[in-house]
Amino acid sequence: QKEVEQDPGPLSVPEGAIVSLNCTYSNSAFQYFMWYRQYSRKGPELLMYTYSSGNKEDGRFTAQVDKSSKYISLFIRDSQPSDSATYLCAMRKVNTGNQFYFGTGTSLTVIP
Amino acid sequence: GAVVSQHPSWVICKSGTSVKIECRSLDFQATTMFWYRQFPKQSLMLMATSNEGSKATYEQGVEKDKFLINHASLTLSTLTVTSAHPEDSSFYICSAPSMAPSSYNEQFFGPGTRLTVL
Repeated sequence: QKEVEQDPGPLSVPEGAIVSLNCTYSNSAFQYFMWYRQYSRKGPELLMYTYSSGNKEDGRFTAQVDKSSKYISLFIRDSQPSDSATYLCAMRKVNTGNQFYFGTGTSLTVIP
Repeated sequence: GAVVSQHPSWVICKSGTSVKIECRSLDFQATTMFWYRQFPKQSLMLMATSNEGSKATYEQGVEKDKFLINHASLTLSTLTVTSAHPEDSSFYICSAPSMAPSSYNEQFFGPGTRLTVL
């Protein structure tokens, strides 16, 4: 079993829709959670990070963490065609250096 | 945020040749850099951790003699794919963690290098 599971999609939504992206994990040692966006043939760029259960909002993006369920989500409101990309969740354990564990990524297409 | 560059961005080589990929942190120092490999529609798989001044740490299943890593300075790490074969064709991405005080150690990713072995 992978330590981080993410539905690869693909996911297609109409412009303006609310998008929900999710990851689950199995190891309670994960304490830091990140969401990255990756455009085709580019490196990932950080969207959001959080280290506690609850919600964190940044513009149209909301990151949600539920440590009791080992479940994290990224919500995108008022989705735009420019949001079309692959979204990767990533996690880090405490005191184990800088190693990140990535989900497989979800491919999102926002249709104008 | 900090910038990490990779060179080349795209390389095509013949089977059996060696290819060197450079990863540079442009405006910060990185004692550690990470090398990832990404196949189409798949996630980033950590290959190795590059440590300045010491040997790289390889993940299980990654051949040390095939993927040579050298962390020559605090701003440069290189990955050399030796005797490349078509199955080595992939997207190689490096990253470097921020040295700024942070509870989560943001990583800055390079733009990636697409390797095609004919």
